[in-house]
Amino acid sequence: DGGITQSPKYLFRKEGQNVTLSCEQNLNHDAMYWYRQDPGQGLRLIYYSQIVNDFQKGDIAEGYSVSREKKESFPLTVTSAQKNPTAFYLCASSIPPHTQYFGPGTRLTVL
Amino acid sequence: GDSVTQMEGPVTLSEEAFLTINCTYTATGYPSLFWYVQYPGEGLQLLLKATKADDKGSNKGFEATYRKETTSFHLEKGSVQVSDSAVYFCALSDWTGNQFYFGTGTSLTVIP
Repeated sequence: DGGITQSPKYLFRKEGQNVTLSCEQNLNHDAMYWYRQDPGQGLRLIYYSQIVNDFQKGDIAEGYSVSREKKESFPLTVTSAQKNPTAFYLCASSIPPHTQYFGPGTRLTVL
Repeated sequence: GDSVTQMEGPVTLSEEAFLTINCTYTATGYPSLFWYVQYPGEGLQLLLKATKADDKGSNKGFEATYRKETTSFHLEKGSVQVSDSAVYFCALSDWTGNQFYFGTGTSLTVIP
């Protein structure tokens, strides 16, 4: 079945540690996105990529990094520079200007 | 810039009640409009969409009409069920298709 997968579902990070969240899609979509969702709030865009080997910062890119080496993969690294990383992270993909399709999310908690 | 404003929640309704969640937008050009639904601990699922003025999106008993004159895309359902309890997000895709803008979400609880 076509879709977007994110792993892990739950992730725990210690202070000062970098962690990487995985996002894979087999929909053959060109564009991929990372959002952060905090409790009771909407989605905030972290990074997006419209083609392989290219990506742009979103509204809250500080403390995060991404890569887009393959069309189907768009991993997000939460670095130690991100001071408040505890949140729900959502990956999405689309063929602009059409609908964005979302993965199931990764819940990151800082211990 | 483009933006979406949606009705603040939480909203609590009895089963079989009528639902309206208001959404208005600001955009240049001709955006596409969407409603997404999020169940606890899950990602967002597309509920319905409309890509041009006067289009009506519909799915699972939910409807929304793209009103350019009032810049609105209100979500409605004639008779809600307990299983409709979720958070609903209004969103727009700008005319280039390169940017998505989401509302802050409206939490709906339906009680038996």
